[in-house]
Order: sequence, then C-alpha cells, then structure tokens
Amino acid sequence: DQQVKQNSPSLSVQEGRISILNCDYTNSMFDYFLWYKKYPAEGPTFLISISSIKDKNEDGRFTVFLNKSAKHLSLHIVPSQPGDSAVYFCAAVKGGGVGSGTYKYIFGTGTRLKVLA
Amino acid sequence: DSGVTQTPKHLITATGQRVTLRCSPRSGDLSVYWYQQSLDQGLQFLIHYYNGEERAKGNILERFSAQQFPDLHSELNLSSLELGDSALYFCASSVAFGRGSYNEQFFGPGTRLTVL
Repeated sequence: DQQVKQNSPSLSVQEGRISILNCDYTNSMFDYFLWYKKYPAEGPTFLISISSIKDKNEDGRFTVFLNKSAKHLSLHIVPSQPGDSAVYFCAAVKGGGVGSGTYKYIFGTGTRLKVLA
Repeated sequence: DSGVTQTPKHLITATGQRVTLRCSPRSGDLSVYWYQQSLDQGLQFLIHYYNGEERAKGNILERFSAQQFPDLHSELNLSSLELGDSALYFCASSVAFGRGSYNEQFFGPGTRLTVL
C-alpha cells in the first residue's frame, strides 16, 4: 500500500520556466510534509517543508502548496535552473513523538526533473 | 556535507555472505533511519532507532538487522546475501522525531552494495 505517491516519474522544463512537482497521499493523519532533492551518487537533501495547519510555505524560488481536502501537495520552482535537475522526493510524516509507536515517515517514489538550458 | 557519515562507501561481496554497514549520525542527533534504494527506485524505509531503541520497522527482511549503540552510531547487518540485495543503503539522522522541525532528516552519502 503506497501511501505517498508521485505519479510522474519524470518531468522536463525549459530554463526560466516554472517546474511543478506533484505528490498525493492517502492517509489524512499525516501532519507534516517535506520535499527532498537528490543528485546522483549523493544522499537526499532537505529542501522545504510544510505543516498540515498551513496551505503554503515559501523559501526563495521554492514554494510548497498543500491541499488537505484533495490530499495533494505540490512543489513549485520558479524560475527553474539547470542546477535544479535532480530527483525530487516528497515525504509525509505522521507525528507520534518520543515513546510513541505511531510515528510514520514515508517517502514517495520520486520525480526526475530535467531543466533544459 | 550533511554531517552524517557512512562506511564503507562501496562494498562488493558474494551471495550467501554477511556484511555490516556503519553510520555515524550528526552530532546531537538521536534518531537514525536506514533506507534502501534499488536501481532508480524510491527510498524504502527499513528501520528507525531513537536513542538506542528501535522505534519503527518498515520493509526490512528478516535476514537484515540493525542496532544503535550508546554512542549513537548505528550498524545495519545484512546476512545470507542475495543478488537482489544489491542497492544503495542510506542512513539518515534527525534531532528527534515527532512534529515540526524534528522531522528534517540529514542523509549520509550512502553505501553501494554489490552482491555477485
């Protein structure tokens, strides 16, 4: 049961345009969401996050939107740059805190973004 | 540099063998996570330790085991290795776990395991 899905395995965008990466989840109990970027032969690096009590979070060129009713989040990159070419993973967290057995941290399958110069 | 170290970087071994992968978390991080990534697939969560105790298990085979030591470093033991175990194994650490900023994970560079 894939609780976090990234339905587009790849995406190509022209430099300077907007990149939109999508992520869908099934469990309404998730309360925190994150995006990670991964270059080949490296570990993923944290990019941006959003709490379930918000619907938007912005950090420079990166904006994450959360639509709780649709159980959907998206990452917008504006403007896209060739250095943004990487695999992007979304992750969903169901908080449980220290001592809780209910903590879940689930990654999507990733979307490979290629920004064309 | 995330501050998370993993050794070895590469490991080549034969089927049926046993290997140990090592991870040192960032200074001050109490949570350690192990992930497997096979051939351009997503990150498969294996196991999570917090301050020496196992907190969550994902898709970890019975042939695999892990532990977190008092100095907070962690080891992932893979035994009776099969060809299909060839993958990148990532370790990640975080301050704690729960809500909010505790959830940002810092990943090591990975160990590439090749089983021949």
